[in-house]
Amino acid sequence: GQNIDQPTEMTATEGAIVQINCTYQTSGFNGLFWYQQHAGEAPTFLSYNVLDGLEEKGRFSSFLSRSKGYSYLLLKELQMKDSASYLCAVRDGDYKLSFGAGTTVTVRA
Amino acid sequence: SQTIHQWPATLVQPVGSPLSLECTVEGTSNPNLYWYRQAAGRGLQLLFYSVGIGQISSEVPQNLSASRPQDRQFILSSKKLLLSDSGFYLCAWSTVPGQGADTQYFGPGTRLTVL
Repeated sequence: GQNIDQPTEMTATEGAIVQINCTYQTSGFNGLFWYQQHAGEAPTFLSYNVLDGLEEKGRFSSFLSRSKGYSYLLLKELQMKDSASYLCAVRDGDYKLSFGAGTTVTVRA
Repeated sequence: SQTIHQWPATLVQPVGSPLSLECTVEGTSNPNLYWYRQAAGRGLQLLFYSVGIGQISSEVPQNLSASRPQDRQFILSSKKLLLSDSGFYLCAWSTVPGQGADTQYFGPGTRLTVL
């Protein structure tokens, strides 16, 4: 089976940086995705990593180490609107994604 | 650009009643289609996926079924709802493998409450 772990909750101050870690043990690996999900809404795509290293997209960056089964999502210059759940997902074949339970980030003023 | 629609947005149904949720995608051809369920405070659980018309793969044994009568239409059904079927149902689409990241994009979801 697939095992994807991420912290349940994190709290940070507006303007700060938060790093959300994700570790995975899957039968195969064909890419790792991060999604943002605001309460009551559908997940929206943030980032994709398939090779080791850092991918940067504005205030958000995502890192992958395949040998360690590890990824993180880095949120810089936090804004109140960044309060949401962040989902780590691993694709182990051509189609299917396995999701972690999500990390709820609360940004405080 | 591609758009994905789901309806209804919310639904309250009694135990034992039937269910039909619909998902349609616009702006793309031959997408892969997926049904997920998200229970309160839990991660997304893949229920079904489809790589073409009439082709359905089931991930979790349950009282739900899926059908794909047209290329860009995906339907989730049940003959008799259970209390445990309550949740947030999300439809997603992606391009076929080999076309870039094959990212899955989600529809707005249907919140189902079974009483």
